[in-house]
Amino acid sequence: AQSVAQPEDQVNVAEGNPLTVKCTYSVSGNPYLFWYVQYPNRGLQFLLKYITGDNLVKGSYGFEAEFNKSQTSFHLKKPSALVSDSALYFCAVGTGNQFYFGTGTSLTVIP
Amino acid sequence: DVKVTQSSRYLVKRTGEKVFLECVQDMDHENMFWYRQDPGLGLRLIYFSYDVKMKEKGDIPEGYSVSREKKERFSLILESASTNQTSMYLCASSSITILDQETQYFGPGTRLLVL
Repeated sequence: AQSVAQPEDQVNVAEGNPLTVKCTYSVSGNPYLFWYVQYPNRGLQFLLKYITGDNLVKGSYGFEAEFNKSQTSFHLKKPSALVSDSALYFCAVGTGNQFYFGTGTSLTVIP
Repeated sequence: DVKVTQSSRYLVKRTGEKVFLECVQDMDHENMFWYRQDPGLGLRLIYFSYDVKMKEKGDIPEGYSVSREKKERFSLILESASTNQTSMYLCASSSITILDQETQYFGPGTRLLVL
């Protein structure tokens, strides 16, 4: 069965510090992996995706994610957090035309 | 830019009412999806559609039905609303073209309260 896990419900980080939001997955075959961000009372916005190729994927707003096949992980990272990065982040895995989402991680960047 | 719109941002309905949630996308996407989002549960797929007049059940279809009469429009129907259907409903669409494969684009969501 396909699944995605985000082990942290909440991540707090000081402004200017690096941030990491964790994601692990379980899927048969080659996964398509995604990160989405959701601001309050809004829909989900696409941040980045890994389909194939370079394991380090760069996306919107300075975010990047590293695909690690041996650890089945796809952690989201940013070198220097901004207060405006505070939001809910979802990891997702796509197989065929279906998506499986994690439960989300609430990121708070403290000024 | 891909645009996915949902007919209402906020809805308040009474138990037993029939509720229609409309979703329209303007990018000629083949695939459309309805999710509900609840705290601690993430997004759960209700129904999806690969083509006009085609529908497939997702993980939690009970109490819902869908309609896709036109490619750009995907409607979610709550036949008889219940309080446990109070939730945020998100519509999404995606293309089958290789360049944009698998990326889902979301609408702003409809927050439904059933009293």
